[in-house]
Amino acid sequence: DQQVKQNSPSLSVQEGRISILNCDYTNSMFDYFLWYKKYPAEGPTFLISISSIKDKNEDGRFTVFLNKSAKHLSLHIVPSQPGDSAVYFCAATASGAGSYQLTFGKGTKLSVIP
Amino acid sequence: DADVTQTPRNRITKTGKRIMLECSQTKGHDRMYWYRQDPGLGLRLIYYSFDVKDINKGEISDGYSVSRQAQAKFSLSLESAIPNQTALYFCATSVEGNSNEQYFGPGTRLTVT
Repeated sequence: DQQVKQNSPSLSVQEGRISILNCDYTNSMFDYFLWYKKYPAEGPTFLISISSIKDKNEDGRFTVFLNKSAKHLSLHIVPSQPGDSAVYFCAATASGAGSYQLTFGKGTKLSVIP
Repeated sequence: DADVTQTPRNRITKTGKRIMLECSQTKGHDRMYWYRQDPGLGLRLIYYSFDVKDINKGEISDGYSVSRQAQAKFSLSLESAIPNQTALYFCATSVEGNSNEQYFGPGTRLTVT
């Protein structure tokens, strides 16, 4: 039973355009969500997060939106740059329940075409 | 220098062999984790430790054991490696708090033949 789902294995976007990566979750206990970026031969690096008390969090070119009623979040990258080409993982945790575990989605490979 | 280091970075071993993967961190974090990643799958938690005396099983602990030798060191062992343990293994650290933001090492690519 996959609790965090990233249904698009890959996404291609032109440089300068918007990239939208989607993530759905099923566990209503999840209250904190993170996006990680991973380049080949490197470990995942933290990108941006959002608490369930918010519906939007922005950091430079990256914005995460959370729709709790739909159990859906998305990561927007504007404008997309070739260096953004990587695998993006969505992760969730039930921090309010005292959880320490991150549950990851399978990842979406983003390719930004120059 | 990297804050979270893993050794070795690559390892090929044979079925039945014992192997240890090591993780060291200079971030001063109390919490450490071991994950594995398989192709087309997300990261899955193997074991985690909140301090030197606290070790906990994660989602997929069968066939693995860990040792927290010090705050900065967390080792993962495969007592008798099998081919389906071929995967990419990541160590991570975090501080106590609500964010659960974790910092990952570069990974160890393990192949069991």
